[in-house]
Amino acid sequence: SQTIHQWPATLVQPVGSPLSLECTVEGTSNPNLYWYRQAAGRGLQLLFYSVGIGQISSEVPQNLSASRPQDRQFILSSKKLLLSDSGFYLCAWSENQYEQYFGPGTRLTVT
Amino acid sequence: DAKTTQPTSMDCAEGRAANLPCNHSTISGNEYVYWYRQIHSQGPQYIIHGLKNNETNEMASLIITEDRKSSTLILPHATLRDTAVYYCIVRVWGNQGGKLIFGQGTELSVKP
Repeated sequence: SQTIHQWPATLVQPVGSPLSLECTVEGTSNPNLYWYRQAAGRGLQLLFYSVGIGQISSEVPQNLSASRPQDRQFILSSKKLLLSDSGFYLCAWSENQYEQYFGPGTRLTVT
Repeated sequence: DAKTTQPTSMDCAEGRAANLPCNHSTISGNEYVYWYRQIHSQGPQYIIHGLKNNETNEMASLIITEDRKSSTLILPHATLRDTAVYYCIVRVWGNQGGKLIFGQGTELSVKP
């Protein structure tokens, strides 16, 4: 069966510090991968998606970036965090375009 | 992708059917209707999807009007664990890596 992992579960970082969130998927090959962000009390916003290794599409301009160094690994990064980067970050995968399966999420607080 | 309109919140008594409406009046012929839900502090969960026929699975039923301008998600016997935000999403099959655009959804509260 397929599983998706995200870490860390929670993170508190000061403004201006770097960020690296990792997502890995097991039990599937060549999945589509997605990064979403959910600010407090708001809906999910798609940040990035990837249809293959090294292929990244960005949905919104921001100080975040994404990379896919391996087939089942998706990384979200920032060189310098802003207060507005606080939120709940969710990674998701899909293989048949019917369903997306979401990870447990990382709750980021930028102070 | 077509936009959707959902009520902000709804209440439902435990054990009763929960009927969640969604308007998608600008839907085009090749766009599917998807439903997801998000329980507090968790990632969203896929529920069901359809194109023009009614669909049913172990979680819910999806009723799509004949003109496809609206749909209703039905949870036949709501439980307290069904309390969540329910998202109705419309998108083209296979578009741009299958990305989903989430709106604000309907916050369903199931009460004992």
